[in-house]
Amino acid sequence: SAVISQKPSRDICQRGTSLTIQCQVDSQVTMMFWYRQQPGQSLTLIATANQGSEATYESGFVIDKFPISRPNLTFSTLTVSNMSPEDSSIYLCSVEPGTSGSWEQFFGPGTRLTVL
Amino acid sequence: GQNIDQPTEMTATEGAIVQINCTYQTSGFNGLFWYQQHAGEAPTFLSYNVLDGLEEKGRFSSFLSRSKGYSYLLLKELQMKDSASYLCAVSGANNLFFGTGTRLTVIP
Repeated sequence: SAVISQKPSRDICQRGTSLTIQCQVDSQVTMMFWYRQQPGQSLTLIATANQGSEATYESGFVIDKFPISRPNLTFSTLTVSNMSPEDSSIYLCSVEPGTSGSWEQFFGPGTRLTVL
Repeated sequence: GQNIDQPTEMTATEGAIVQINCTYQTSGFNGLFWYQQHAGEAPTFLSYNVLDGLEEKGRFSSFLSRSKGYSYLLLKELQMKDSASYLCAVSGANNLFFGTGTRLTVIP
């Protein structure tokens, strides 16, 4: 298993500003993921962040809007840039330890973002 | 592309059995997961199926048919604390794609 923390847990931001969300894992993992969960909806994958390479973005998400850093095997950041009210959502990071031959992912507690 | 379907909402009675279905069409398949998510919390892992058949874990069981692109989650002896959203997710090529989730309400 893996224990994941995220900072901040929640924030209220003004339109046009940017917020960087941090994700810290208690063990070294290769695969880290960033998801968005809009109110009342399921999780949508934003990007996959592997250490030592550029993040891979899913359709509908671009690096200019959601730049990601992955400086080492235990840490990643997601920035939500030039925010608008439509970006109000919960942002979750997850990791895939890859142990026991399983692709199970463990999720952080999420960051609840409100954009005014 | 990815397409995962599950019912939006279900209601069941405490002590009963409920089956939540999930159908999927994906490019690449490394397994199917069920996650539980209580309101305001992160998803937590329930089960993982990569081969056809039934996996049982206490009150929870999950079934997979790869040829039919079909899975179900079976919850027995329902408790009030089982009221939550249940997310079906398919693992593709290093990615996990989620269905819209089924909101289960357990009533007395």
